[in-house]
Amino acid sequence: QQPVQSPQAVILREGEDAVINCSSSKALYSVHWYRQKHGEAPVFLMILLKGGEQKGHEKISASFNEKKQQSSLYLTASQLSYSGTYFCGTPRLHNNAGNMLTFGGGTRLMVKP
Amino acid sequence: DSGVTQTPKHLITATGQRVTLRCSPRSGDLSVYWYQQSLDQGLQFLIQYYNGEERAKGNILERFSAQQFPDLHSELNLSSLELGDSALYFCASSPYLRGDDTEAFFGQGTRLTVV
Repeated sequence: QQPVQSPQAVILREGEDAVINCSSSKALYSVHWYRQKHGEAPVFLMILLKGGEQKGHEKISASFNEKKQQSSLYLTASQLSYSGTYFCGTPRLHNNAGNMLTFGGGTRLMVKP
Repeated sequence: DSGVTQTPKHLITATGQRVTLRCSPRSGDLSVYWYQQSLDQGLQFLIQYYNGEERAKGNILERFSAQQFPDLHSELNLSSLELGDSALYFCASSPYLRGDDTEAFFGQGTRLTVV
C-alpha cells in the first residue's frame, strides 16, 4: 500500500511557507522525500530514519513521527526553484529481502513571484 | 547528472509491439529499480534487481519482464503493448540490497508513446 500525501496541490508566493504531509498505514522504518520537476527525474531531498537520524543534501527540514507513522516536509521562505512535485516514499522489505520503495501520489507545489 | 543512464530517451511504437528499455546504473551500484509514471501520476514500483537477481516485485504486468546482466545494466521488456502503457519509465539505482536508509539515484527516464 502506498503512503498518502496531503495536500495534493499548493500554490504559494515567494517567501511563504508550506507543509507537506505523508502518512502510512504500516509501520515505518524510514521515509524518503524526492522532488520532481515536470518531465524530469525525481531528485533526492532527504531520508528520515527511526531514532531521529536524517540524511539529506538540502536545507529542507522535515519531521518523522514513528508512532503516528507520519512525516512532514517543511518548506520555509519558499523560492521559485521549490516548484515541482514532491513525493514521499516508504520502503517495504520484500519476502526476497529486496526493497520496494513505494511512493505516495505526490504534492504539486507551485511558487509564484 | 545522477550517473544513471537510460536509453532511449523517447520511443514511439504501435500497439501490439515489443520494446526494450535499457538502464546503466551508477558505477558500483548493485541494485536497479524500475518505475512507471503515467501522465501526471505517481511513481509506480515495478521491479527490483540486485546483482543479477530479482529481489522485489510490484504490480508489474505479465507482459512486462526485466533482467539484470553481469555488467549490472538492466533491461525492461514490454510486450503486446497497449495504449495504456504509454508512460515515463524510470530506472533508479542504489548500492545496497535493502536501501531503506540510502538514497536512490534516478535516470532521466524513457518516454514511451504507444500509438
